[in-house]
Amino acid sequence: AQRVTQPEKLLSVFKGAPVELKCNYSYSGSPELFWYVQYSRQRLQLLLRHISRESIKGFTADLNKGETSFHLKKPFAQEEDSAMYYCALSQSLDTGGFKTIFGAGTRLFVKA
Amino acid sequence: EPEVTQTPSHQVTQMGQEVILRCVPISNHLYFYWYRQILGQKVEFLVSFYNNEISEKSEIFDDQFSVERPDGSNFTLKIRSTKLEDSAMYFCASSEGGSQGITDTQYFGPGTRLTVL
Repeated sequence: AQRVTQPEKLLSVFKGAPVELKCNYSYSGSPELFWYVQYSRQRLQLLLRHISRESIKGFTADLNKGETSFHLKKPFAQEEDSAMYYCALSQSLDTGGFKTIFGAGTRLFVKA
Repeated sequence: EPEVTQTPSHQVTQMGQEVILRCVPISNHLYFYWYRQILGQKVEFLVSFYNNEISEKSEIFDDQFSVERPDGSNFTLKIRSTKLEDSAMYFCASSEGGSQGITDTQYFGPGTRLTVL
């Protein structure tokens, strides 16, 4: 069964400290993985996707198929990074669309 | 930048009543979705809609739920007879439709908080 696991509900770090938000997945086939972010009182928005291999707002995530992980990292956390982070994978549908399977989310709190 | 919009932002209803949640997807998008998040739980897929019909639905999406695109712009989720456990945040999303084998980006609306009393 397809599943996304985020083991930490809450992660609290000091400003300037490194951050790693953990994500593990279970998927038969080649997964497409994403990180979504939801800032306070704002909508869910895509942060990054593994196929882009890009860095957004200083965050990176590497897909490790051997460990079935897609951890989100940032070397130096900023207070404005405080938000809810969701790891997700997409499952293609026959019609060409897809559905997103979300993890439970990790709330990141960056302290001054 | 175009955005998905949802109305109302908060809906309070009595158990057993019908509710309609409205969404306006991004105008050139072809795929539409509803997701649900019960307080304290994960965001769950409900249904996807393409070419004026449901393309996939989850086990949550039972006979009391229906979706419609009545006028080419709005995309609605109707819950026929609400239950207490339908209280949740409902998110609409849309996507353009990617190349074969490539997942495109889903854009989410701000959500409608449904409270069933």
